[in-house]
Order: sequence, then structure tokens, then C-alpha cells
Amino acid sequence: GDSVTQTEGPVTVSESESLIINCTYSATSIAYPNLFWYVRYPGEGLQLLLKVITAGQKGSSRGFEATYNKETTSFHLQKASVQESDSAVYYCALGETNSAGNKLTFGIGTRVLVRP
Amino acid sequence: DPKIIQKPKYLVAVTGSEKILICEQYLGHNAMYWYRQSAKKPLEFMFSYSYQKLMDNQTASSRFQPQSSKKNHLDLQITALKPDDSATYFCASSQDLGGSSQNTLYFGAGTRLSVL
Repeated sequence: GDSVTQTEGPVTVSESESLIINCTYSATSIAYPNLFWYVRYPGEGLQLLLKVITAGQKGSSRGFEATYNKETTSFHLQKASVQESDSAVYYCALGETNSAGNKLTFGIGTRVLVRP
Repeated sequence: DPKIIQKPKYLVAVTGSEKILICEQYLGHNAMYWYRQSAKKPLEFMFSYSYQKLMDNQTASSRFQPQSSKKNHLDLQITALKPDDSATYFCASSQDLGGSSQNTLYFGAGTRLSVL
């Protein structure tokens, strides 16, 4: 089946430092998966951070970036300079463009703690 | 204000009992879902509903029964609870049930269930 593997947390960084969360995927049942990063802030539900539906493209939002690399089956999330408000759990996920189920396969989530 | 309300936030149950997890969405969406995350495991898809009809069921056990009394409600009844059912249960919704490239999932904050 399909699966997503991401950096095991918690990841602790200091404010203004850079952050990278690794994500690799295996899409055995989907020819052209869509890739997503969701973020869950404390006390809230998951919300979409960014998505990329075409291999080779980059998505960006709130200073975060991720590039869809089909060769390495990766979708790493990066931010050059984090803020304390970036403390959250980050989930990598994949989905199928034309699925009637809109069903996503998620990773385990990576908790990020940003020290002031 | 949160647009997807899940109640309760925390729930403790004894083995063998029955509980209902409540979910209401105020986004005007036509599709609703349940996902579950157990400790140290990925978030996993359970059910999808469209216009109050079950579209996909990935849970192996009939102890999990979604109930949709209104289009914007999708409750989850769990019977004969087991300790392995301990997890955080997330309700989600999307405009429609189409592919993931067009239909963003919106999540509630989750219900954390502990079964003793």
C-alpha cells in the first residue's frame, strides 16, 4: 500500500534558525500522487500548509517551502528562519488527484518545538 | 471560531462500554470523514461520507459505526470498546468528495479517547 515516512520528532530548534523536516513517500497504487503538508497548532485541528500536485514543482506558504521530487520520492519541508509561533506538529501526506474518496495517506507527524 | 466542532475533547471509557464522538461542521461542505491517530502511528483514514451516504470504509471492525443525522453532522459510535481503540479521532470535511487536488480537507481539533 501507499505510505509516508517523515522525520521522527520532537525536533527542537531556536528562533531564527533553519528547519528541515524530511518526508519520503511510496505511492504503489497512485501513478501521480498529490503531496501535502498539514500543520496542527496546539489545541487546533490540522490545517493545510501547502500542496503540490505536479512533480518538479515547489509549494510555499508562511515562509515554508517544499519541492515535489519524483526521482527521490521526497517532499521535504524547509524554512530558513523559524519563529516561536511555528511550534506545531507537521504532517506530510499524499493523495490521488481523481479519487472519488479524497482519501489522504499521512505520515506520523513531526512535533517541532521552537525555543525563544 | 472553529468551523468543525468535535465533542468531547477528551473521553475516558472502560473496556466493553460504548461511546459516541460528535462532529458538526459549519463550512457548508458536502463530504465528511473520520480519521484516527493511535500513539506512534500515522493518521489513518476510517470513513468518508458524501451527502450523508457512506462512500468508503477502511475500518476492519463493525464496532465503529458512523451516524449522519444531518448533512453537517457525522458522529462516530464505538461499541464494545477495547484498550487498542485508544487514539485521537479527527473529523474532517471537504467541499465535495472529488480528488485531493481540488478538495482541501479541513479538520476538527480531535477527540482524545482513552480506554482503560
